[in-house]
Amino acid sequence: DAKTTQPNSMESNEEEPVHLPCNHSTISGTDYIHWYRQLPSQGPEYVIHGLTSNVNNRMASLAIAEDRKSSTLILHRATLRDAAVYYCILRDVRDDKIIFGKGTRLHILP
Amino acid sequence: AAGVIQSPRHLIKEKRETATLKCYPIPRHDTVYWYQQGPGQDPQFLISFYEKMQSDKGSIPDRFSAQQFSDYHSELNMSSLELGDSALYFCASSLNVDGYTFGSGTRLTVV
Repeated sequence: DAKTTQPNSMESNEEEPVHLPCNHSTISGTDYIHWYRQLPSQGPEYVIHGLTSNVNNRMASLAIAEDRKSSTLILHRATLRDAAVYYCILRDVRDDKIIFGKGTRLHILP
Repeated sequence: AAGVIQSPRHLIKEKRETATLKCYPIPRHDTVYWYQQGPGQDPQFLISFYEKMQSDKGSIPDRFSAQQFSDYHSELNMSSLELGDSALYFCASSLNVDGYTFGSGTRLTVV
């Protein structure tokens, strides 16, 4: 499985933008970049995914480097409810399953 | 919108007993996945089903088995339970390469 590297933890102030980085230098051409998050005591939650182009949805934006070896999840205005573990995951289009790595624990300061 | 439904939410079993966890995927989703998350751990992939056939297998112990039924619900059967099986068990469903939708999980405690 292609691997990703994320910071163990990050802090951000409430109502400020948050940029969560992810490195995936061994990404292959058939890997989609997926982001999930897990709030305390809840199941993982899909956030966003992309292949090559930047993506936006109501939850976040995904910025993908031109060489696809890194990506950044952007929360435009963090709230206390965004405190969670954020997982960056590579999912091969030919493979159904997703494999969770260590993720980044995001702390939001009021 | 309908979500992934898991039952029961909580389950307490003794060592060497059996347990059955149920998962009802989102209607029209064709793939179901099971994950195990131990205390302080990240979710670990156990097994998946596509159109009622096993499609992939991860780190699922031989004591565990799973199946998907004609109505697409899935069951995870766990036998000879051990203390180390205490964990949160999540089910997820998806349709093609879109994101997964996870259920709220079943918390299994083995005593």
